[in-house]
Amino acid sequence: DAGVTQSPTHLIKTRGQQVTLRCSPKSGHDTVSWYQQALGQGPQFIFQYYEEEERQRGNFPDRFSGHQFPNYSSELNVNALLLGDSALYLCASTEGGNEQYFGPGTRLTVT
Amino acid sequence: AQSVAQPEDQVNVAEGNPLTVKCTYSVSGNPYLFWYVQYPNRGLQFLLKYITGDNLVKGSYGFEAEFNKSQTSFHLKKPSALVSDSALYFCAVRDMRDYKLSFGAGTTVTVRA
Repeated sequence: DAGVTQSPTHLIKTRGQQVTLRCSPKSGHDTVSWYQQALGQGPQFIFQYYEEEERQRGNFPDRFSGHQFPNYSSELNVNALLLGDSALYLCASTEGGNEQYFGPGTRLTVT
Repeated sequence: AQSVAQPEDQVNVAEGNPLTVKCTYSVSGNPYLFWYVQYPNRGLQFLLKYITGDNLVKGSYGFEAEFNKSQTSFHLKKPSALVSDSALYFCAVRDMRDYKLSFGAGTTVTVRA
């Protein structure tokens, strides 16, 4: 049973560029959440998608947007990248609203 | 609003000794509580959860945690630590009426042989 998968593993972008990160949830899971983990900090909630709609959003600017597809996979898009967007981006999936299962993350470096 | 505090940045123990990682939380409604572990350059791995019922919950790899409502705490424990338990541990809380998880800053556990 495949767990949560994310792509790419690493990414280097320049300030002002746009980036798309991808996530496939664990089999049987219909809800996907995205988190940003800056170095030395705990993950911060960006948003959650359920039934292809953004169900809840954390304290992140509109530059951060997402999408969920009919097969429950999800994308995170970040526009107008800033140096401060450099972080590990984690995707998590769940079914039934209890524990979330995390993917290995995408390491984004903005130069 | 919900939040988690992990008062210790680091915990150091000898192999075979008991391990405790502290966590306190703040939430408006009833809490759902979780512990996760993170190894270097990896995602978070679920250890255990408290949703309702017994205050002592048992999880993976011999870990357990005790929910204390009056002290708003959810400390992680392991009776006998292993070197392989050395990692970064996160406590997280979710209000039962909410969807987002709020994490603490993490505690680095080092178990020396």
